[in-house]
Amino acid sequence: DIQMTQSPSSLSASVGDRVTITCRASQDIRNYLAWFQQKPGKAPKSLIYAASSLHSGVPSKFRGSGSGTEFTLTISSLQPEDFATYYCQQYNFYPLTFGGGTKVEIK
Amino acid sequence: QLQLQESGPGLVKPSETLSLTCTVSGGSVDFSDYYWGWIRQPPGKGLEWIGSFYFGGSTYYNPSLKSRASMSGDTSKSRFSLRLTSVTAADTAVYYCARHVSDDLFDPFDSWGQGARVAVSS
Repeated sequence: DIQMTQSPSSLSASVGDRVTITCRASQDIRNYLAWFQQKPGKAPKSLIYAASSLHSGVPSKFRGSGSGTEFTLTISSLQPEDFATYYCQQYNFYPLTFGGGTKVEIK
Repeated sequence: QLQLQESGPGLVKPSETLSLTCTVSGGSVDFSDYYWGWIRQPPGKGLEWIGSFYFGGSTYYNPSLKSRASMSGDTSKSRFSLRLTSVTAADTAVYYCARHVSDDLFDPFDSWGQGARVAVSS
């Protein structure tokens, strides 16, 4: 199975900060990488697919980049509604696998 | 606006079968245009892909479930289902259904249900 490793596992940031989350794949997954946002008690929300493409309705403050084995999610100008857990997921290989998540907390 | 809604028992006894249904609503959807997936999340943990179902034929399951999972669908009722046999406490989780963006397993999810909480306990 492809292992997806996210770092950090958690971070504290202030409103207005820019944060970057990293996701590493154990093998080359080209750009078959998605990012999700999950708030407590809620379903995941699809943010980004193909490493850098935003799903419809997702604000441009979310930016994804990378290819191969290393990917990043950058959130600019953090707002209170952005504090959540973020997951990456590869869909290049069977079985589909997720990263362990990065919790973004308020400092 | 596409909506997915999971339903099923919230409590299942160990060694029995967990059965969940995902009902799709909100506009005319050609089910054969998409793969439909199930993902679960144990309490306080991350996401695990269970499998994805295609009304036109092929279904893929996570090998970690050791053939305990099966999926089916009913286009006349706009729904698809998950069965997980021989459950243990390790199967306690929130179960989500989701849609892939196309009829290709190797395409991302776009829409998710709100989740169904299932506890395995005697």
